[in-house]
Amino acid sequence: ETGVTQSPTHLIKTRGQQVTLRCSSQSGHNTVSWYQQALGQGPQFIFQYYREEENGRGNFPPRFSGLQFPNYSSELNVNALELDDSALYLCASSADTDSPNTGELFFGEGSRLTVL
Amino acid sequence: GQNIDQPTEMTATEGAIVQINCTYQTSGFNGLFWYQQHAGEAPTFLSYNVLDGLEEKGRFSSFLSRSKGYSYLLLKELQMKDSASYLCAALDSNYQLIWGAGTKLIIKP
Repeated sequence: ETGVTQSPTHLIKTRGQQVTLRCSSQSGHNTVSWYQQALGQGPQFIFQYYREEENGRGNFPPRFSGLQFPNYSSELNVNALELDDSALYLCASSADTDSPNTGELFFGEGSRLTVL
Repeated sequence: GQNIDQPTEMTATEGAIVQINCTYQTSGFNGLFWYQQHAGEAPTFLSYNVLDGLEEKGRFSSFLSRSKGYSYLLLKELQMKDSASYLCAALDSNYQLIWGAGTKLIIKP
């Protein structure tokens, strides 16, 4: 148990729809990052939030957006879903303050999204 | 571009030793992580190296050579539960993690 929880665990959407995925970080962690992991691939960095501000973004289009709340929980929103968005979406939290992402990442179990 | 290379799949025998190699090319470098991921589960942290040398943690050890852009994960006394994918990830100058595709390790009795 990492203390990081994600919801929903599984969901099915159709092309063009919108989806919101949620993540509660481990207590005391102020940094949350989101990753997309296609089957048989390593995770791909989407973006990272540190104290409610986005402080890093990977090579994903603007239809991938996010939020971090004052309690450090986070949301990932994906608009205009495409078939290739089908993947496992992982949320990870860490406790670093000065240098986010240099510490150990604690992953949630992920949200498996299928786009039909 | 940034790139992480690791073998796709390896097979080893229970009780033996296996070394999983990883080479990386990143814009800047702030350390290298190894994670274990069982099928259908989230990755779990194994090790973090930022200085050259070997870090030992129980049955698992991780080595880093910054000048060669090279790391390896060494697993000793292999157990069946070690069957999993092992992900190598490098932290670049923007403190973003660049991940390899993972090495699927199959342990045979």
